[in-house]
This record gives sequence, C-alpha cells and structure tokens, in this order.
Amino acid sequence: SAVISQKPSRDICQRGTSLTIQCQVDSQVTMMFWYRQQPGQSLTLIATANQGSEATYESGFVIDKFPISRPNLTFSTLTVSNMSPEDSSIYLCSVAIQEDYEQYFGPGTRLTVT
Amino acid sequence: SQQGEEDPQALSIQEGENATMNCSYKTSINNLQWYRQNSGRGLVHLILIRSNEREKHSGRLRVTLDTSKKSSSLLITASRAADTASYFCATDEGGTALIFGKGTTLSVSS
Repeated sequence: SAVISQKPSRDICQRGTSLTIQCQVDSQVTMMFWYRQQPGQSLTLIATANQGSEATYESGFVIDKFPISRPNLTFSTLTVSNMSPEDSSIYLCSVAIQEDYEQYFGPGTRLTVT
Repeated sequence: SQQGEEDPQALSIQEGENATMNCSYKTSINNLQWYRQNSGRGLVHLILIRSNEREKHSGRLRVTLDTSKKSSSLLITASRAADTASYFCATDEGGTALIFGKGTTLSVSS
C-alpha cells in the first residue's frame, strides 16, 4: 500500500478566499484522484489528476472553481477557489498503482468556510 | 452519480456479535472495494474483490460478491468496540475512479 499525506489537515477560511491542498505519495502512482465529502455524506469524485496534462473533471465540478495540478507521479494539489460556506467539506486525495488495483486514501483535509 | 447503496444505513450491535452490511450497485464493474471511516477521518481500505471472485476473507472480514444480483456483503465477525465506524462500498466503472455508496454506520457497544 502507499503512504499518502495531505496538507493542511484542517483549515478555517473566510468566504471569498482560496485554499490549496497538497497531496504527497511515498511512491510513484499512475492514478490520483480528488474527492469531496460533505458533512454527513458519502464521497463524491471531483476529478482525476492527470500527470502532465489537465485534470478530468466530473459533472458539476469545473476547473475555475477547483484547479488541480499534478507535476509528477507523487504529488498533486487541489485549490478550492472563491470559497463559500457550501464548500465546507473534507477533501481527500486517493491513489492507485494502476487501474483495477486497490485505491488508497489520504487522511483528508477538513475545510470550514465562514 | 451514486453507484452503490448500502443497507442498512445504521446498525447497532453488542461486542462479540457479527455485523453484516450489504451493498447494491447498478452497472457492470471490474472490482468492488470496501472501506472504513472513523469519525470523519481518512478512509481505510479493507478489501478489494474482483468481478470474477465470489468470496474473499481478511482476518475477521468476509466479503461476498454476486454479480448477477449486482450486490456485495461485508461480514465482520466477533465485533469489537473498535469496529465502530462508517463502512462504505465503492465500485469502479471501467477501472478508473470509484463511485461510493452512502455508507453504513456501525455502532458496537461493550
């Protein structure tokens, strides 16, 4: 399994500001994903982070709101832009060595927007 | 879109009892994975079962998969208080990102 770290672990931000969340993996992985978990809800996929190219976003999520970078096979960032209280969630990155393999999750970033 | 649906939504049992959670999904899959989440923290991967497998064991966990019924079950035997958590099933759609169910909240009391 991969060891995944996320920074920050939690943050409280003001409406209208942006927060960048980092995801670091201890080994090279093919697949990296970003998920959101709203309070009391299940996980929803935001996007697949593609190394060296633009991320692939799911329906309802757009690049202007959630820009994603993936400069190499061990690191990715998710930015939550122009935040509103509705963005208060846990944001989790996940990785898979390759398709059809176990997917492992980072510890999550708990974001509160006031 | 939501793929898996867990049943029941909540389950309360005593220590030592077995806990069974069910998951149903809608489309064809390559694999199904079960996860545990403690108090809104990160997800812990429990087990992956592939579409050509019918049953898999890991310690006190037993997972079954019935692709004809598009359903899976997770059995935790001899439950402990430390098993108290939310459990999610997640399915793939062509081997890429996961689609999660709503989860089952398990409470094990001593």
